[in-house]
Amino acid sequence: GAGVSQSPSNKVTEKGKDVELRCDPISGHTALYWYRQSLGQGLEFLIYFQGNSAPDKSGLPSDRFSAERTGGSVSTLTIQRTQQEDSAVYLCASSQQGTVSGANVLTFGAGSRLTVL
Amino acid sequence: QKEVEQDPGPLSVPEGAIVSLNCTYSNSAFQYFMWYRQYSRKGPELLMYTYSSGNKEDGRFTAQVDKSSKYISLFIRDSQPSDSATYLCAPSSGTYKYIFGTGTRLKVLA
Repeated sequence: GAGVSQSPSNKVTEKGKDVELRCDPISGHTALYWYRQSLGQGLEFLIYFQGNSAPDKSGLPSDRFSAERTGGSVSTLTIQRTQQEDSAVYLCASSQQGTVSGANVLTFGAGSRLTVL
Repeated sequence: QKEVEQDPGPLSVPEGAIVSLNCTYSNSAFQYFMWYRQYSRKGPELLMYTYSSGNKEDGRFTAQVDKSSKYISLFIRDSQPSDSATYLCAPSSGTYKYIFGTGTRLKVLA
């Protein structure tokens, strides 16, 4: 696609429910990232994919959070048993490679805004 | 100490003013210094980046890096209301990992 697509754009859920957030990166981008943005907290790194594997998942806050990527393309971030502190905007980004050089920079989607009641 | 520190603002300036946005960082391995702009309810978009120390100019925008003091700046000349956004600095050591600042919210008043 022309850009990074994320769905849903907004999700309201009740505490304790599971949610799935989807990211469709730019075609041909091998690297994919998930970030979380909370009010006044900046962008918090969650996980990095190179192809279908995740060499760095150090930012996942707890074992309630998991992510997968299939076919070197679409990724899903799953949050189980949601808590109120999970409320945030979840941003997905992709890049041609995992390293910075020339035009290989992160392109972000518009984000999925999660509200846990 | 956070790896990247950025004043969250908000910063309000009149149209036409010169704006200075700044970040400090602690990791001397950082070599690439990105600036992202984020409009409300949108994802961040790359504005410009520099490699190592020095200045880089792109239209009304100038990015400046001083590695000796670990200080990075973004200057906006002749600021416009359309520049109203949050500006995030994001240094990197050249690996996949970016460390983002909290962002400075800028408001340019018409």
